[in-house]
Amino acid sequence: NAGVTQTPKFQVLKTGQSMTLQCAQDMNHEYMSWYRQDPGMGLRLIHYSVGAGITDQGEVPNGYNVSRSTTEDFPLRLLSAAPSQTSVYFCASSSPGRPEAFFGQGTRLTVV
Amino acid sequence: GDSVTQMEGPVTLSEEAFLTINCTYTATGYPSLFWYVQYPGEGLQLLLKATKADDKGSNKGFEATYRKETTSFHLEKGSVQVSDSAVYFCALSDQPNISNFGNEKLTFGTGTRLTIIP
Repeated sequence: NAGVTQTPKFQVLKTGQSMTLQCAQDMNHEYMSWYRQDPGMGLRLIHYSVGAGITDQGEVPNGYNVSRSTTEDFPLRLLSAAPSQTSVYFCASSSPGRPEAFFGQGTRLTVV
Repeated sequence: GDSVTQMEGPVTLSEEAFLTINCTYTATGYPSLFWYVQYPGEGLQLLLKATKADDKGSNKGFEATYRKETTSFHLEKGSVQVSDSAVYFCALSDQPNISNFGNEKLTFGTGTRLTIIP
């Protein structure tokens, strides 16, 4: 019973590099979301998806891309990493009509 | 837009003390309210929830009551333990109507770090 799985757990990037943060869920949830967690700011929504092929922007989308080709996977892409993207990233999934969201264990990203 | 204002920490208490962490919110629709907990090195876990006014959420000795008149959802526990040390987040999910749950867009407070000393 894996729930929401995020990879990698830790990553160091150089400014300008690109990478993809992976998120997969095995609960057949329609909704998936990406958040970033920064000190003193709580979690802020980056992008979200209400189903395969449907994505939308959250509060802080700049510098990030997403796609949702399957129900299970929702990768987050950084096209050109910047130091301001140093953060802990959390993926979450949930079902419509059910109030609980399930979170992965997070990816700690450092951009130098 | 929606917002959550949460009591700033850190909060340090002795074991068996009474805990209150304040949370107030602003929302335009029919929000569901949540408390999430994050233990060191882990992701967030749902602690308790309330989906309409006057609902009381409870779990593991923690309680919170959805107060629409004061737009509040304060977290309380009568006797804390060392194992309760964690970061606590108040959050809301706003809905355009009372029967349309959706939690793909959660709005979080800044989090309160709680440390319990033996």
